[in-house]
Amino acid sequence: HSALTQPASVSGSPGQSITISCTGTSSDVGGYNYVSWYQQHPGKAPKLMIYDVSNRPSGVSNRFSGSKSGNTASLTISGLQAEDEADYYCSSYSSRSPIVVFGGGTKLTVL
Amino acid sequence: EVQLVQSGAEVKKPGESLKISCKGSGYIFATYWIAWVRQMPGKGLEWMGSIYPADFETRYSPSFQGQVTISADRSISTAYLQWNSLKASDTAIYYCARQETSVGHNYFDYWGQGTLVTVSS
Repeated sequence: HSALTQPASVSGSPGQSITISCTGTSSDVGGYNYVSWYQQHPGKAPKLMIYDVSNRPSGVSNRFSGSKSGNTASLTISGLQAEDEADYYCSSYSSRSPIVVFGGGTKLTVL
Repeated sequence: EVQLVQSGAEVKKPGESLKISCKGSGYIFATYWIAWVRQMPGKGLEWMGSIYPADFETRYSPSFQGQVTISADRSISTAYLQWNSLKASDTAIYYCARQETSVGHNYFDYWGQGTLVTVSS
């Protein structure tokens, strides 16, 4: 049982946009602007895609964007490309132990 | 260039001990927290704990407290994850990650390549 709730899978066609949700509580997602998103391709280490809810690290495509409303954060990928097919994880700081929590992960399939 | 390089894959028997490592370079190692993250086969990411090499302050997830030990050696810019008695359920990939925790921030910006630990009799 993960502390943050994500859909198990989402899919979209090339060029489309998709959104992955990440639902927590007022003790984590809703209470702090410390939500981050990670992309993980099979057999590879996770890669930071979004930090502090909506900031993109240098080198990450502007097709990736993040937002938050209440206790739910979202990752949107626009102009889907085949290379976006991967697992995506959200994470947040939490005021309750454990102080770092992850979502269960979402498998993105590009049709 | 910031890099975290982890030690190689391990195959161990239940009850054996193990210490894996994560060497940082390209930044001042002591001034960033280093986290350890578990990924069991086919499963998601789990934060195990973090250490601040400057003063060795360590924080653990309750799920891992008492099960593992996180340590660091500032002199060689290396963090460690240690088990005293492995179980088959410890079979997983273990990642280290640099944790940015300056004011207004909390995220893992650089990751090691992962260390596969297999525990089997």
